[in-house]
Amino acid sequence: QKEVEQNSGPLSVPEGAIASLNCTYSDRGSQSFFWYRQYSGKSPELIMFIYSNGDKEDGRFTAQLNKASQYVSLLIRDSQPSDSATYLCAVSSSGTYKYIFGTGTRLKVLA
Amino acid sequence: DGGITQSPKYLFRKEGQNVTLSCEQNLNHDAMYWYRQDPGQGLRLIYYSQIVNDFQKGDIAEGYSVSREKKESFPLTVTSAQKNPTAFYLCASSTTGGFPGYTFGSGTRLTVV
Repeated sequence: QKEVEQNSGPLSVPEGAIASLNCTYSDRGSQSFFWYRQYSGKSPELIMFIYSNGDKEDGRFTAQLNKASQYVSLLIRDSQPSDSATYLCAVSSSGTYKYIFGTGTRLKVLA
Repeated sequence: DGGITQSPKYLFRKEGQNVTLSCEQNLNHDAMYWYRQDPGQGLRLIYYSQIVNDFQKGDIAEGYSVSREKKESFPLTVTSAQKNPTAFYLCASSTTGGFPGYTFGSGTRLTVV
C-alpha cells in the first residue's frame, strides 16, 4: 500500500514566524510532489510543486525535497493569520499520473 | 475564465435513492477525477478518466458509477449501494501527464437524510 503521511496537527505558530510542514512517502518511484492549501469547507488549491531534489522557492513558500529520505517539506516564512488552513501533501504514484494525498496538517497562525 | 464547475454545492439524499453530482470543465484537460473527502481521512480516489468513453476505478469505487461521454463532463452517480455516502465530493482535472497538479472544483457536500 503506497502511503503519504503527515502529522495532522494542529501546528500553531505565532504571526511572523516560520511554519514548517512535513510529509513522508513510501513509493520510491514517485516523481512529482505537490502542496495544496485547503481552507475549511473549501476545495484544495495548489500552492507549490517540486520535481527535483533540493529547494524551490516561490514568494513566502519554499518546498524542499529529499528523495533519498523520501521526505518533502513546506516552509512558510512570515506566517500570517490568513495562512491558517489545512495543508495537503500529494505524491505521484510511480508509473501513473494519479496522486496519493496525505491526510493533511492543520496550521494555525496566531495573531 | 477557465475552470471546473461542480453542482450542486449541497445535496441531500434519502435512503435508497441514487443521486448524480455534476462536474464540468473548460480547461481542455483530458484527465478528470472524483475524490471523496471525509474528516481526518484525506482525499480518496473514487474514479478517474484519461479520455472520453474510458474510465477506471479508484480505491473506493464500490457504490459509485461514472460516465465520460464528453471531454468536458464527468458526472458521478452515488447509488443506493453506497452505504455511507455522507462526505465532501471533489472533482478535479489535469493534463494527461498530470502536470502541474490538479485543478479542483469547489466541491459538493452530500448528506444522507
